[in-house]
Amino acid sequence: QQQVRQSPQSLTVWEGETAILNCSYEDSTFNYFPWYQQFPGEGPALLISIRSVSDKKEDGRFTIFFNKREKKLSLHITDSQPGDSATYFCAASTTGGNNKLTFGQGTVLSVIP
Amino acid sequence: DMKVTQMPRYLIKRMGENVLLECGQDMSHETMYWYRQDPGLGLQLIYISYDVDSNSEGDIPKGYRVSRKKREHFSLILDSAKTNQTSVYFCASSPGTYYEQYFGPGTRLTVL
Repeated sequence: QQQVRQSPQSLTVWEGETAILNCSYEDSTFNYFPWYQQFPGEGPALLISIRSVSDKKEDGRFTIFFNKREKKLSLHITDSQPGDSATYFCAASTTGGNNKLTFGQGTVLSVIP
Repeated sequence: DMKVTQMPRYLIKRMGENVLLECGQDMSHETMYWYRQDPGLGLQLIYISYDVDSNSEGDIPKGYRVSRKKREHFSLILDSAKTNQTSVYFCASSPGTYYEQYFGPGTRLTVL
């Protein structure tokens, strides 16, 4: 059973548009949600994260919106740039969860110049 | 400069051969991980290590074992590799929960 689900699997936007990547989860004990960015041939790297006590986290052009009641979150990338083209993973963990992260299957973002 | 290294970067083995993947980190992190990444499946946790000789199974440990004899070094071993173990393997390290996991560049393993 997939504990963390992402949609869409792939997304194409024009340069300057806002890309919206969605994530949902099953386990109500999850309380920490990092998003990782992965470029081809590289390992994932932390992009931005949010804890369940917040409903929004902003870092430059990247914003996470979190809805605890619906167990959903989304990553908004405003003014998308070709350099943002990558795979984005939503992940989740819980306090006392033995330091484990559960990853979604990823969304491949392509930004067309 | 915080870094996770993996060796080798590419490896081709025949079915039934033994495989050793190495990982190192220079951040003195207690926790280290091994994941595999397959298209459409994201990152799946194979093993987690909380410190030297303190290892725990992840979600897909079957067919794998690990060794951690020094805090900075974590090995993944495949005894008698199978073709369905063809994948990209990532090592990561972290100071703990709520902290960033730092990933290595990955090892692309092909088992023929």
